[in-house]
Formats: sequence, C-alpha cells, structure tokens
Amino acid sequence: DAGITQSPRHKVTETGTPVTLRCHQTENHRYMYWYRQDPGHGLRLIHYSYGVKDTDKGEVSDGYSVSRSKTEDFLLTLESATSSQTSVYFCAISEEGGSPLHFGNGTRLTVT
Amino acid sequence: ILNVEQSPQSLHVQEGDSTNFTCSFPSSNFYALHWYRWETAKSPEALFVMTLNGDEKKKGRISATLNTKEGYSYLYIKGSQPEDSATYLCAAANQAGTALIFGKGTTLSVSS
Repeated sequence: DAGITQSPRHKVTETGTPVTLRCHQTENHRYMYWYRQDPGHGLRLIHYSYGVKDTDKGEVSDGYSVSRSKTEDFLLTLESATSSQTSVYFCAISEEGGSPLHFGNGTRLTVT
Repeated sequence: ILNVEQSPQSLHVQEGDSTNFTCSFPSSNFYALHWYRWETAKSPEALFVMTLNGDEKKKGRISATLNTKEGYSYLYIKGSQPEDSATYLCAAANQAGTALIFGKGTTLSVSS
C-alpha cells in the first residue's frame, strides 16, 4: 500500500452523534479524496483536497465536512450521523491532478 | 458533476474467453480517463490513466483504448483467467483534473 492509513477501520455509532474519520499519508501527495462505497452506487466522491486548507465538494457532500490543516492528514466529519451515512469510506491520494489514485483500506461505518 | 457510465453491469465468462467492457463519459472538457481493478475485500488499484485521443495502453492481458471525441473507452481482457474476477471501474477527471468521478463498475466473474 502507498503509505495511506485510515482510522478507525470500523466504527459503530448512534444517529445524531458526530463522527470523524482520519486519513493519514506518508507520501507527501498533494491531492486527497474521500469516497463512499455503497451497493449499486460504486464509489461516490464526497470531498477532495488539492492542498493544505484547499478543499472542494464532490458528488455527495451534504452532511459531511472536511479539514486539511497539514499535507499528511485529511479529516472527514459527519456532523450529525444519520443511518443513510452507513457505508464504507475510502480515502485516496494522488501526486498530481490526473495521476492515478492510491486507496486506503477503507473504514466501515455503521450508524444505528 | 460528470456523468460516467459503464456497461455491462456484470459479466460472467468462461476461462479462456476474451471480453470487453465500455465506459462512456462527457466528451466536452475532457481531462483524463482512469481504469481501476477492484478485487473483493481489497482496495481499488489503478490499471491505466489515459489522456490522449486514440491512446491505447496494455498491461499483460489487459488493454484499454480511448476515444475522447465521442466519449468512450474500452477495456479488453484477453484469455480471461479466474484471477481476473473483480470489479473494473472507470473514472473521469473534471476539467481541472482535480476531482475524479467513478462509474458504477463492471463486475467480471470468470469460471474455470
């Protein structure tokens, strides 16, 4: 794996609670992404970052926020978790725009 | 947000068969087209990144072509093997090359 660590790997939480997922990279890549994987939907882009403090929305950003205060960390926060946010979340990194993505191992989040 | 479509959704072939899948994407403001292979219980891995109209790329028994003018790419697998069983994803980059939008994938099952 290309030096990407997602934490936690698994989490169960209750509806209405805030949740933060962390993606940490050791590759010094500029771009970082958060995707969610759901049956029948493939991978959908939530938010992405093209540099420290530079982020933008993806396809399904409602209910999520992100922060990137340093190159190596990209945090995804569910401000008030809902059952529809039960999913597997993948972080990915790329060296430059258009470069291939390298994915983390995923975080399985269950909201009860 | 780009609309990326893949067909077929799933495919079942016998060992030794050759097969191909289609990815269609908006031809206007094209930046790059990616192909990924995603095995069960693993993370997606990049196969190809293609940027030029008419591009052809090859990796072992897998190859891909790109037509940016009409907005499609084909992925070919020659002589399918059981270990080729996976979901194959294509993704198109936005005009700036910063966001990568995935299709829903084609799931290939190869029987021995």
